[in-house]
Amino acid sequence: GEDVEQSLFLSVREGDSSVINCTYTDSSSTYLYWYKQEPGAGLQLLTYIFSNMDMKQDQRLTVLLNKKDKHLSLRIADTQTGDSAIYFCAVYPYTSGTYKYIFGTGTRLKVLA
Amino acid sequence: DTGVSQNPRHKITKRGQNVTFRCDPISEHNRLYWYRQTLGQGPEFLTYFQNEAQLEKSRLLSDRFSAERPKGSFSTLEIQRTEQGDSAMYLCASSLDRVDYGYTFGSGTRLTVV
Repeated sequence: GEDVEQSLFLSVREGDSSVINCTYTDSSSTYLYWYKQEPGAGLQLLTYIFSNMDMKQDQRLTVLLNKKDKHLSLRIADTQTGDSAIYFCAVYPYTSGTYKYIFGTGTRLKVLA
Repeated sequence: DTGVSQNPRHKITKRGQNVTFRCDPISEHNRLYWYRQTLGQGPEFLTYFQNEAQLEKSRLLSDRFSAERPKGSFSTLEIQRTEQGDSAMYLCASSLDRVDYGYTFGSGTRLTVV
């Protein structure tokens, strides 16, 4: 089945850029998402990208997709302390008969003032 | 639109007891999902409803777990004879009938089995 992997921790200084990486195994993953989870809260959709795109920019967020290497990244420009959270990559393996997203284990981003 | 609402926020129960959680999705969303999240892990899929029909269930959903979505509105997730391994955050999400739209998650119900 689909496997989605992320590094567990990332620490950056306020004002720097953060890059969170994700790799997946299923080449049929058509839709890929980034979610943010703050302590004690549910997951908030940040952005998404379709597999026919290489890049998507949304304000401070830039998503890069390398389909050949099955690698997805999220870059946060000018990282702020409010960006401290857990970031989850999720993929939708568009195989017939499934409706579920597969989530990675999450990357805990700590922003140092 | 008040988002996806889950109740209760926290539940502590003794092993062997039954518990029921409720999810109220965004009103115009016809898709509803239940996920389970344990500490340090990403959400794991449990089950999916399209309107009132339960179309997909994970093998994680043992016979002690049952979910319903009567009339295609709110949903309930019941766990019978709870075990300590059931301790987790149970997340509900809903979406429109478009795969590219992404889910809207509720804040979750944290279950602790003692």
